[in-house]
Amino acid sequence: EDKVVQSPLSLVVHEGDTVTLNCSYEVTNFRSLLWYKQEKKAPTFLFMLTSSGIEKKSGRLSSILDKKELFSILNITATQTGDSAIYLCAGGKYNFNKFYFGSGTKLNVKP
Amino acid sequence: EAGVAQSPRYKIIEKRQSVAFWCNPISGHATLYWYQQILGQGPKLLIQFQNNGVVDDSQLPKDRFSAERLKGVDSTLKIQPAKLEDSAVYLCASSFGWGGSNTYEQYFGPGTRLTVT
Repeated sequence: EDKVVQSPLSLVVHEGDTVTLNCSYEVTNFRSLLWYKQEKKAPTFLFMLTSSGIEKKSGRLSSILDKKELFSILNITATQTGDSAIYLCAGGKYNFNKFYFGSGTKLNVKP
Repeated sequence: EAGVAQSPRYKIIEKRQSVAFWCNPISGHATLYWYQQILGQGPKLLIQFQNNGVVDDSQLPKDRFSAERLKGVDSTLKIQPAKLEDSAVYLCASSFGWGGSNTYEQYFGPGTRLTVT
């Protein structure tokens, strides 16, 4: 059965801290891994990763994929209160662009 | 570019009533998805369309849920009759493509929050 597991389920940090969110996957015919940020509305796309070991970066956020160990991490440096959200990862299959989502990590950044 | 549009944003109904949700994907996006997101969980795929054909509906409770995408653009998702456990956010997403060696990002609409009482 295809599945994606995220850890931790929730995290509380203070502004300025660096956090690492984890995503492990078991997806047959795996093709890509996506990260999303979800506040009080729809998930917002952050990154799509298809190759192992190549870091993707956007401002204070970065992510990397390890296809041998079947996991990805999302790093956020110098966290801000605006980073408070649920972060979702999703594993995608070849051929069908079908994605399996994890339960998310709820991040709370305190001032 | 305009994003994925959904309506209504909120809906409250009693159990055994019916409800319908509407989605208009990003222009030019061939693939459309309907997800159910229960509080505290990640989105679960209900049905995936490629143009107006169904690619995957393996997790759609077909005894009460139905969806269509006539003309390969807008889509509607219907629940009839609703149960208490259908309370969730229903998210529509679209992507440019669906197959072959390429992979495409999904973009989500704002969702419809359904409460069944």
